[in-house]
Parts: sequence; structure tokens; C-alpha cells
Amino acid sequence: DADVTQTPRNRITKTGKRIMLECSQTKGHDRMYWYRQDPGLGLQLIYYSFDVKDINKGEISDGYSVSRQAQAKFSLSLESAIPNQTALYFCATSDGAGGLKLETQYFGPGTRLLVL
Amino acid sequence: EDKVVQSPLSLVVHEGDTVTLNCSYEVTNFRSLLWYKQEKKAPTFLFMLTSSGIEKKSGRLSSILDKKELFSILNITATQTGDSAVYLCAVVAIYGQNFVFGPGTRLSVLP
Repeated sequence: DADVTQTPRNRITKTGKRIMLECSQTKGHDRMYWYRQDPGLGLQLIYYSFDVKDINKGEISDGYSVSRQAQAKFSLSLESAIPNQTALYFCATSDGAGGLKLETQYFGPGTRLLVL
Repeated sequence: EDKVVQSPLSLVVHEGDTVTLNCSYEVTNFRSLLWYKQEKKAPTFLFMLTSSGIEKKSGRLSSILDKKELFSILNITATQTGDSAVYLCAVVAIYGQNFVFGPGTRLSVLP
């Protein structure tokens, strides 16, 4: 079973609709992230959470919100979807404890979103 | 502002060639640099580098970090078509927070 799962894997929606992308992990990691990926732009950070009570905006948070329902669950919402939010969305986790502890990220399979 | 630049952005080679992918960065309080391979799905972890001059190696792939000049290279020798992917470089700062990703290098290996 995958350690980081995302649902749905593909979604088509219309402009103005609210949608939610969900992420679950079984790795027991405290840190979770949401990224979007557009061709030629690498991964851009939307939001991140270092524990259930800690939510932080990333570099492109406008138009998005998140909810950390539990250590294992981190959801991304588009309150009113617009076409330029069409992208590939990745959830990731890491086990960093801050400070000098080295960490790497583990990615979910991605959600491909098309906003018409 | 932390920044990661990768070059080239795109590269086409033939099987058997050797390639070198570049990653340069500007980050406050550097802690580590990571390389990922992304095929038609999620990025998968390749290497983590923290110390200058120490080569990490896995099969035909190797990577090295130069903390003085703020760059890393990823070498792939005897390339195969299965090496075709986007290679992402990311840096992490000591007190934090985030993984800052570069735009990636799209490598295409032709038979």
C-alpha cells in the first residue's frame, strides 16, 4: 500500500465551483505539504503544516485554503476554482523535527485538476 | 528570497551518452540539497547532499555538492531510455521550513 495517497487522482470542474483535494499518509510524519506543478515551473509550495495546529502559507497560497484534520490528513480546497488553477497537485510529507535533523520528502501520486 | 536554478531545462541525448545536470542555489542557512527523479508520476528521491566534495553514488547516477560555489551536479553515465524523466533539485534551509524546488531538467534519452 502507498504511504501517501491522494484523492481524487483526476478531477474536472467548472469555474466557480468549490473542490477539495485530500491527502492521507501512513508514514507517521508530522509535516505535510501541498504543491502545484505547472510545466516548466517545477513545484510551487501552496501550504504546509508542521503539525496539526500549525498551518503556514507557501509562495502561492492565494485562492487556496487547507485543513489539517489529523496528523495523517491534510486537505486542500479551492474555494472558487478558476482556469489558471488547472495543474498537477502533489501532497508530500516529511519527518523533520526541525533544527539539524535531515529529512526528505515523500510524495503522493498527484491529482490532475482541470478547471473549465 | 531562496532560489534554485537548474540547467539545462531540457536535454536530448542518445543511449550510452553521459549527461551532467546542473543545480545552483541561493538559500539562507543551507542545510541540504536533494535530487529527485520524476517520470509520469510523483517525484522519487535520489540523493541528499549536505557536505561539500563528497560524492553520492547509486549505480550509474552520481552527485556532488560544492557549498562554496553554491551548486550541485547530477551525472548519469551510459544513459538508458529509462532515464528519461524530469530531474528536480531542491534545497532545504536549517531552520526550516521548506523545500525550495528548481524548475527541473527534462531529460530525453533516445534509443
